[in-house]
Amino acid sequence: DAGVIQSPRHEVTEMGQEVTLRCKPISGHDYLFWYRQTMMRGLELLIYFNNNVPIDDSGMPEDRFSAKMPNASFSTLKIQPSEPRDSAVYFCASSLLAGDNEQFFGPGTRLTVL
Amino acid sequence: QQQVKQSPQSLIVQKGGIPIINCAYENTAFDYFPWYQQFPGKGPALLIAIRPDVSEKKEGRFTISFNKSAKQFSLHIMDSQPGDSATYFCAARKTSYDKVIFGPGTSLSVIP
Repeated sequence: DAGVIQSPRHEVTEMGQEVTLRCKPISGHDYLFWYRQTMMRGLELLIYFNNNVPIDDSGMPEDRFSAKMPNASFSTLKIQPSEPRDSAVYFCASSLLAGDNEQFFGPGTRLTVL
Repeated sequence: QQQVKQSPQSLIVQKGGIPIINCAYENTAFDYFPWYQQFPGKGPALLIAIRPDVSEKKEGRFTISFNKSAKQFSLHIMDSQPGDSATYFCAARKTSYDKVIFGPGTSLSVIP
């Protein structure tokens, strides 16, 4: 398996623009997680899905952020409108069942909002 | 609210030294404690994990020590190498709940 795939790897946009980050989890994994990493706040869980259903979105910073998982092999994280403080590395991760299963992280998308 | 505390924030050791990273938690419902390793430009990856029913777990040069009564656990890296230079995250999870709570991370540099 190719692992978790994220695109784009880098995104530079201007404040106010819509940004869409994409993730393909490992085939067969039931859980998908979106994280944001910054120097100031570390690794933050934004939202996670189980079998394509959002389970916990309490980490989503505000209404400008939304995430979808239309099927088991694809998820998006959208920011509209984007702001400079959204600049961060966004990671997608997936795992098998609940319990002790390891989370496999993608390579991340580095977002810069000017 | 930081549920998993981690120290130090950064650490520099010489090759062959034994860096130690410490973590503490408050929630006694946590019963699974993984450590993740992240190299620059990469996503975190599981390094080693422990349950609180054991006091120590060793995998190669990496050892987790666990003190349940103190609600503390630590990572030791024996005979550290420059290739171990990375950011290390301790984490905790309640097996009845899926979310992993990560500590703030420790940036380790092993100098030759």
